[in-house]
Parts: sequence; structure tokens; C-alpha cells
Amino acid sequence: GENVEQHPSTLSVQEGDSAVIKCTYSDSASNYFPWYKQELGKRPQLIIDIRSNVGEKKDQRIAVTLNKTAKHFSLHITETQPEDSAVYFCAASMEYSTLTFGKGTMLLVSP
Amino acid sequence: EADIYQTPRYLVIGTGKKITLECSQTMGHDKMYWYQQDPGMELHLIHYSYGVNSTEKGDLSSESTVSRIRTEHFPLTLESARPSHTSQYLCASSAPGGTEAFFGQGTRLTVV
Repeated sequence: GENVEQHPSTLSVQEGDSAVIKCTYSDSASNYFPWYKQELGKRPQLIIDIRSNVGEKKDQRIAVTLNKTAKHFSLHITETQPEDSAVYFCAASMEYSTLTFGKGTMLLVSP
Repeated sequence: EADIYQTPRYLVIGTGKKITLECSQTMGHDKMYWYQQDPGMELHLIHYSYGVNSTEKGDLSSESTVSRIRTEHFPLTLESARPSHTSQYLCASSAPGGTEAFFGQGTRLTVV
């Protein structure tokens, strides 16, 4: 089955800095790569996703890049703010399978 | 409003009791899932379903069981609760194909 590795497990940045979280996947058949944000005490919520026919996608301060050859994808957050502090999960799936999640990255943005 | 609902939100129960965690979605999704998550930790898939009368075990071994008699309803049952079952249980659903999963608010279970 699919295996997703996520790094780093914790990330501390100063407000205004950029943050990058990286994930690798094992199954070349995976074609859907979402990123979820989970604030303390809340449910995970989708913040951005990318499909395998696209190399990069942006939404305001967040962007995701995908390298199919290397089987890795990354989340980029620019101009970080304290409200970006949360646990971020990457995931991968094939079209008719379940999502396989990474172990999560705890991001702390200090004012 | 279309959403995914879990009840109860919090449950404290004694060892050996039978419990059922409820999950219902009004999103018209075929796929539903149960995840176990300790606070701030990774999401472990324990059960999933692709539709009515379809149930499968996930990656994490679990002593729980599930049923899918109706599309919108996916309850999880623990026949005999133990302290090791103390955790947060998250229900989720998604449309067919590789698409976004929507999560419920979760049930935080404590077995004493």
C-alpha cells in the first residue's frame, strides 16, 4: 500500500517568515495530494490540494508543489502569521482508494 | 447545511461497557471513514466504507466494529471498552474518486 513520510515533525518560525513542509510518497499511481490544517481542539480541514497533472498550485499565502518523478510534494506558507500555528497533515491517494496521511507537522509561529 | 455530524462530542465511560459512536453526513457521499487520533498526533484509519453494506478494516488494528446500512450513517461500536481505547475518534466522508475528505468534530472518548 501507499506510504507517506512527512518532515519535519515540528517547525518553529518567526512571524513573517516562510514555512516549508515536505512529504514523500511511495506509490507512483497516487494522483491526489491534499493538505489539511488542524487547529488545537478542532477537526482537520482542507487548505489546498493538487492533482498529478499539475506541478504547482497557489492560494494567497499558501502553495503546494508536486514532483512526480521524485514522488514528493511540499507545502509553502509565506508571510506566516500566529493564526497559522496548527498541525498540518499531507496525504496521498489513488483515484478509488483511501487517503494515506503523513504523521503531521506541528507549526508554531511566534509573534 | 451539508455537514458531517458526530455524537456524542465527549464521553466518559467505565471499563467493560458497550458503546456506539454515531456519525451521520448530509453531503451525499458514498465513502465514509473512521480515524483514531491522540491529541496533535497522526491519524490512524481504523475502518472505512465505500457504500451501503461495504465495510473494511483500516491500517490500525481495532477492536471496534462498524456497520453501513444507510448511506448517511456509519456508526462505530466498541463491545467492551478498555482504558487503551481512550482517544479521539474522527469520522470523515468523501465523494467517489480521489477527492477531499470532510471530517466531523470528533468524539473524545475516555474509558476509566
